Amino acid sequence: DAKTTQPTSMDCAEGRAANLPCNHSTISGNEYVYWYRQIHSQGPQYIIHGLKNNETNEMASLIITEDRKSSTLILPHATLRDTAVYYCIVRIGSGTYKYIFGTGTRLKVLA
Amino acid sequence: SAVISQKPSRDICQRGTSLTIQCQVDSQVTMMFWYRQQPGQSLTLIATANQGSEATYESGFVIDKFPISRPNLTFSTLTVSNMSPEDSSIYLCSVVSRTPGGEAFFGQGTRLTVV
Repeated sequence: DAKTTQPTSMDCAEGRAANLPCNHSTISGNEYVYWYRQIHSQGPQYIIHGLKNNETNEMASLIITEDRKSSTLILPHATLRDTAVYYCIVRIGSGTYKYIFGTGTRLKVLA
Repeated sequence: SAVISQKPSRDICQRGTSLTIQCQVDSQVTMMFWYRQQPGQSLTLIATANQGSEATYESGFVIDKFPISRPNLTFSTLTVSNMSPEDSSIYLCSVVSRTPGGEAFFGQGTRLTVV
């Protein structure tokens, strides 16, 4: 079973920041949090990942709480092309590296 | 990053037949996985394709229905056997690099319709 829970859907105005929350209260100390998105039934696209510290790349920022039980993906200036399903994943196992997907958040960016 | 090619990209098949899906990666990878995505649903892990040994299947998936081969570190196949309309899904191949923070990469998927 997936170790994450996310809201089913969210709307965001174009140009505004999109903040997508994720709960992972059973995460273990050595498990990473990954974010992917899937646009229109294409293959999932990697966005960002982190272990303990906040992370930022050209696509997004990842904020992980100090207790690591939740995180937030931030798209700083959402565009219409960011409309997608966003998946927060806790990668299982130090040897198997399996990715178990939850239901994800369907983000709709509104013009 | 890894570039993953899946073939075919889509197919329409008759019930009772089988389809083999190919996954080719442009570099040697340790971990390869197969997923199924039913219409309107999230991705479900079918199995881990192990190089040189039998695949490891997740609960609810069996080798007779979804035989998997992985002859080397860059190639794998998934066969959907004795198909029924319930097998209509997108099937995706994924690879992971074995580094502490190694992310997964996904192919574009094979859209299968069983009639």
